[in-house]
Formats: sequence, structure tokens, C-alpha cells
Amino acid sequence: RKEVEQDPGPFNVPEGATVAFNCTYSNSASQSFFWYRQDCRKEPKLLMSVYSSGNEDGRFTAQLNRASQYISLLIRDSKLSDSATYLCVVNRGGAGNMLTFGGGTRLMVKP
Amino acid sequence: TAGITQAPTSQILAAGRSMTLRCTQDMRHNAMYWYRQDLGLGLRLIHYSNTAGTTGKGEVPDGYSVSRANTDDFPLTLASAVPSQTSVYFCASSDARGGGYNEQFFGPGTRLTVL
Repeated sequence: RKEVEQDPGPFNVPEGATVAFNCTYSNSASQSFFWYRQDCRKEPKLLMSVYSSGNEDGRFTAQLNRASQYISLLIRDSKLSDSATYLCVVNRGGAGNMLTFGGGTRLMVKP
Repeated sequence: TAGITQAPTSQILAAGRSMTLRCTQDMRHNAMYWYRQDLGLGLRLIHYSNTAGTTGKGEVPDGYSVSRANTDDFPLTLASAVPSQTSVYFCASSDARGGGYNEQFFGPGTRLTVL
């Protein structure tokens, strides 16, 4: 079983739609959580951190459920520019700030 | 600021040859990392360095070596390349002194093909 699992998609949605991605992680000792965005043939970039209380940044909302060990990302009012791969990322803790990446969920927003 | 730079951008390498992928950051981050990204497998950590002078093995270290002589540079060396090392390689850095919620910043990647 992978340490961080995501549905690879693709999720094909029309502009303006609301779309949600989930991610599960296996290590209950994981300490911090993130969503990164990766555009085709580019490097990953931090989209948002995911806190226990949940957090929102504009059209993006992230939630963490430690009991069930899953993380979610909700995108409202999808834009064409949201088309990308979204990576669920977990920091297991310990020295070095090492991250474990999920395989990514591909989103394609269509006009 | 440049952030993180990697060189070369891409390379075709004959099997059995050696190669060093270069990575330089100008953010004075203490921690640096090398990942490889393969279709269907996501990013996997090869080696990391918590601070200059120290290195550690990640998830897939075999066939690779690193050094961290100073804060800014973290080269990755393939001593004798094999076709399974064909991949996209990303270097990253972070200020890892403050706890778990530290962003990792990535370089633009090096696309390596081993024939």
C-alpha cells in the first residue's frame, strides 16, 4: 500500500464547477500536510498547507481528518487555469522536513 | 532572486557513463533534497541533506550519490547510468529549522534519458 494515495483522475469538469479531491495517508504519526500544484512539465509549487482546523484561500478549501487519515481539497468556481495535477503531500515528522508525495490527481477544466 | 536552479535542463546519456546533475539555491535554506518523478509513481526522494556537511538516504538512493560541501550547492551524481534511471529529477530546498509546516521550493527539473 502506498503511504499517500490519490485518485489519479483525470477529473474533467466544466468552467464554474465545484470539484473535490481526497487523499488518504497511512502513517498516523504524520505531522503536517499540504497540497502542491504541478503544471505539465513544470516543477511542483505549494498551493496550500492543510491545518487541523481546515483552511480556505479564495476558491480553495482544504480539510484534514486525522481520525480517518484523509485530506481533502475543494475547488469552487473552477477556472481554465486550474487545470493541473494536484499533489497530496505529507510530512512524517522527524529531522529533515522530509515529504512523501501522492501520485497526483489530474484536473482538466473545460470551457 | 533565482531561487533554485538546476543544470542541465535535459540530457541524453549513454548507459554506463557518469553524470552530475547540478543544483544551486540562493535562499540560504539549510535543507536540500533530490527527487525523481516517474509516470504513475509520483515524486520519490533519492537523497537529502539537513545542513551543509551532512547527507542522508531517501526512498530510492541506489545508483546515486550526493555531497553538500556548502549551503548553496547539492549535486547529484550517477556513477554508472542505467536505463531505469531515465526520469525527471527535481532538486528542492527548505528552511527546515522551524518545524513541520515548511514549504519546499523546487527547481525546474532535469530531464534525463539513459540509452
